[in-house]
Amino acid sequence: GAVVSQHPSWVICKSGTSVKIECRSLDFQATTMFWYRQFPKQSLMLMATSNEGSKATYEQGVEKDKFLINHASLTLSTLTVTSAHPEDSSFYICSARDQKDRVNTEAFFGQGTRLTVV
Amino acid sequence: ILNVEQSPQSLHVQEGDSTNFTCSFPSSNFYALHWYRWETAKSPEALFVMTLNGDEKKKGRISATLNTKEGYSYLYIKGSQPEDSATYLCASNPDRGSTLGRLYFGRGTQLTVWP
Repeated sequence: GAVVSQHPSWVICKSGTSVKIECRSLDFQATTMFWYRQFPKQSLMLMATSNEGSKATYEQGVEKDKFLINHASLTLSTLTVTSAHPEDSSFYICSARDQKDRVNTEAFFGQGTRLTVV
Repeated sequence: ILNVEQSPQSLHVQEGDSTNFTCSFPSSNFYALHWYRWETAKSPEALFVMTLNGDEKKKGRISATLNTKEGYSYLYIKGSQPEDSATYLCASNPDRGSTLGRLYFGRGTQLTVWP
């Protein structure tokens, strides 16, 4: 199957600093990528839809100025958590769909990033 | 935000047992239902994507059914093996007619199969 690579797999940062997470589709092109967040014992929650060459679409309640998303190419989307605070500590994971596939086909996920803000 | 529910939250079975999980989703806003298998420290792996009412799909010992009118899907595992131990996620995609493909997930069912 297709491979999505996400880095870093874990990161610890100080409160007030920014953290960038990368999501790359290694063997396919993805017009659209998705960013999810998971708190302990909760479901994967969709944060935003990342569109290549245009602005991301954020889900209700997700601060777009805090979670900056850039999708500059068909194989790379980045999520930057700006001015991180302890409450941003969570598991972040991206997914992508091969752009040549129909929309009702499977999504491919990265390995996820465990963010801890101290 | 779609409300997708999964039950049970966790399940412990003996090797060889058959088991099933439930996923419920809003039937009024539905395009596709996804099932994923997620092992610890790995990426979620797609099992099935279903769109039509009455769909049944099978992959080896794992099968799934879909009822879009009442908004539920069942995942069945026949003769569970220790390697089936994982969290099973279902997700609903409401984006009919669009290219988005957003997924709204349940909390998952954590399956442990004892040898």
